[in-house]
This record gives sequence, C-alpha cells and structure tokens, in this order.
Amino acid sequence: RKEVEQDPGPFNVPEGATVAFNCTYSNSASQSFFWYRQDCRKEPKLLMSVYSSGNEDGRFTAQLNRASQYISLLIRDSKLSDSATYLCAVYGGKLTFGQGTILTVHP
Amino acid sequence: EAGVAQSPRYKIIEKRQSVAFWCNPISGHATLYWYQQILGQGPKLLIQFQNNGVVDDSQLPKDRFSAERLKGVDSTLKIQPAKLEDSAVYLCASSSYSGSYEQYFGPGTRLTVT
Repeated sequence: RKEVEQDPGPFNVPEGATVAFNCTYSNSASQSFFWYRQDCRKEPKLLMSVYSSGNEDGRFTAQLNRASQYISLLIRDSKLSDSATYLCAVYGGKLTFGQGTILTVHP
Repeated sequence: EAGVAQSPRYKIIEKRQSVAFWCNPISGHATLYWYQQILGQGPKLLIQFQNNGVVDDSQLPKDRFSAERLKGVDSTLKIQPAKLEDSAVYLCASSSYSGSYEQYFGPGTRLTVT
C-alpha cells in the first residue's frame, strides 16, 4: 500500500462546478497535512495546510479525518484558472506526496 | 522575498555521463530538500539537510547520487553515472526550520537522459 494515495483523475468539470478530491494516508502518526497546486511544467506551490478542525480559504475548503486517515479538498465555483494538478502531502518525519489529481475546468 | 533558485533549468545528457544541479534556498531557511519528480508522480524526497548536516538520505541512491551543502546555504546534487530512469524534474525546496513542515519549492531542473 502506498503511503499517500490520491485518485489521479482526471477530473473534467465545467466552470462554476464544485469538485472534491480525497487523499488517504497510511501512517497514523502523521502530524501535518497539506494541499499543493502544481501547474503544468511548474513547481508545486503550497495551497493550504489542513487542520483537524477543517479550514477554508475563499473557495477552497480542506478537511482532515484522522480516524479514517484521509484528507479532502473542496473547490467551489470552479474557475478556468483552477485547472492544475493538486497534490496532497503528509508529514510524518518527512513530507510524502501523493501522485496528484489532475483537474481541468472547461468553459 | 526571493524564492528558491535552481540552475540549470534544463539539462540533456547521455546515459553514463555525469550532471550536477545547484540550489540556493530562501534566505534564512535552515532546512533544504532535494526531490525527484518523475512524470505523472508526486515529488519523492531524496535528501534533507538541516544547515549543513544530513537529516535524511534514506531514499538517495548513494551508488550514483551525491549531495552536499558545505556552508549551510547553497547545495549541489550530483548524478554520476546517469541512467535512463533518472530522467525527471529535480526540485529543491526549503523551509525556515526543521519543525516547520511548510516547504517552498524552486522551479526545478528538468533532466533528460538519452
């Protein structure tokens, strides 16, 4: 079993749609959780940290479920500019990334 | 604030040749990381430095890869000899201290081994 797993997609959604990504992790001792965004041929950029209480940043909501060992990212009112690969990352001594979920938002 | 700098941005070499990559982290960041990202996968940690000491190099293929951070600032990653499967993007990242898990990435070096 991979340490961090994501559905690779791709997810193709129209503008304005709501889309959700899940990510599961195997190390129950993991301490911190993140979502990164990676545009084509660019470096990953930190989108948001994920806290136990859940957190929101504009159209983006991240949640953590420690009991089931998964994190999620919800994007509301999708924009064309949201098209990217979304990487979840889990810190348990080192930062381990999932393989990424490809999102394409179309007009 | 300047971000993480890397060079070169692209490199094409033949198998069995050697190659070196350079990274300059964000000013004041004590922790530096090298990642390998193969197409279609997430970044994989190769080595982590805290100042000029190695914290984790468990996933570094030490028979061919080496890295150093002599003065606790810049770092170089070397591959010698390169194999076809080393074709990937090599990303450098830094964080302000070992307890901060938020990492900031450089633009990467895209290596093609032919």
